Amino acid sequence: SQTIHQWPATLVQPVGSPLSLECTVEGTSNPNLYWYRQAAGRGLQLLFYSVGIGQISSEVPQNLSASRPQDRQFILSSKKLLLSDSGFYLCAWRGETAQQYFGPGTRLTVL
Amino acid sequence: QKEVEQDPGPLSVPEGAIVSLNCTYSNSAFQYFMWYRQYSRKGPELLMYTYSSGNKEDGRFTAQVDKSSKYISLFIRDSQPSDSATYLCAMNNQGAQKLVFGQGTRLTINP
Repeated sequence: SQTIHQWPATLVQPVGSPLSLECTVEGTSNPNLYWYRQAAGRGLQLLFYSVGIGQISSEVPQNLSASRPQDRQFILSSKKLLLSDSGFYLCAWRGETAQQYFGPGTRLTVL
Repeated sequence: QKEVEQDPGPLSVPEGAIVSLNCTYSNSAFQYFMWYRQYSRKGPELLMYTYSSGNKEDGRFTAQVDKSSKYISLFIRDSQPSDSATYLCAMNNQGAQKLVFGQGTRLTINP
């Protein structure tokens, strides 16, 4: 069966510091992978998605970037965090048709 | 106008009641419809997945799609306090890489 992991689970970072969030998927090959952000009490905002190694589509022009160095690894990064980057970051993979399956999330607080 | 509209609630009902959650959409090309359940501080969990029109039942949950009205529903029978969560609808069309999500409805089942 497929499993999706995210770490860290929680993170508190100062403004201006770098960020690296990691997502890995087990039990499937060459999945579509997605990064979402969910602000408190808000809906899901798609940040990036990837259909294969090295292929990244950006949905929001912000100070975030994504990379896919391996088939089942998806990384979200920032060189300098802003207060507005605080939120709940979710990674997801796409099933055989349209459905997506989410990881447990990383709660980021920027102070 | 948003592509998918979902009443954010909050919705509060007594235990044992039948709950009806709804989304409307504007894109007639949508063919895949999903409902996710998200507990506080957790990632969304895929609850129901339907293709095109019709009903799908899984235990106490029934998903209904009316493409002529561009309207989808999730019914919860014999609601339990453990059903208290935010419910998100999501949908997309054939070949699309991305899902379009509703804002989510926050549901509370009171014992």
